Amino acid sequence: DAKTTQPNSMESNEEEPVHLPCNHSTISGTDYIHWYRQLPSQGPEYVIHGLTSNVNNRMASLAIAEDRKSSTLILHRATLRDAAVYYCILRKTSYDKVIFGPGTSLSVIP
Amino acid sequence: GAGVSQSPRYKVAKRGQDVALRCDPISGHVSLFWYQQALGQGPEFLTYFQNEAQLDKSGLPSDRFFAERPEGSVSTLKIQRTQQEDSAVYLCASSPLAGGPSYEQYFGPGTRLTVT
Repeated sequence: DAKTTQPNSMESNEEEPVHLPCNHSTISGTDYIHWYRQLPSQGPEYVIHGLTSNVNNRMASLAIAEDRKSSTLILHRATLRDAAVYYCILRKTSYDKVIFGPGTSLSVIP
Repeated sequence: GAGVSQSPRYKVAKRGQDVALRCDPISGHVSLFWYQQALGQGPEFLTYFQNEAQLDKSGLPSDRFFAERPEGSVSTLKIQRTQQEDSAVYLCASSPLAGGPSYEQYFGPGTRLTVT
């Protein structure tokens, strides 16, 4: 299975943009890039996903490098509620299971 | 609307006891997943159902772990003869369709199991 690499932790000031990086150098051509986040004492929740093009939704934006070996989750204005562990995940076409790594723990400073 | 629910939310078991953890997926969701999350770690895949068929159980750590989904809706994860290393949060997730890497998973709040 293709692996992802993320920083263990990051900090951001409230109301500032946050860029969460993810490296996935062994990604295959049909892997989708998914991001989930997990707030304290809750199950993970879906944030966004993409294949090749950049994606935007109400929660975040996903910027995918042209060679697809890295991606960045962008939170445009961090709020205290965005403090969570963020997981970058690759999903293969032949399996539905999600392989989580340790993720990035984001702290938001008021 | 109703999301994925799990019960009980907390379970304390003495070592050697059997436990059963329940998952109610979102109505109509075809795919159902179980994950185990140790403290400070990301969730680890246990098993996957498509309707009532258990298509992947490669993540079950031992034959003490057993999962079923007999009618293609509610699922139960059973752990026999619990051991301390089974202490973790058990997460259930469902997805509306089968197959395909682009579908999101909807997670429940988890059951925190503590084995003493």
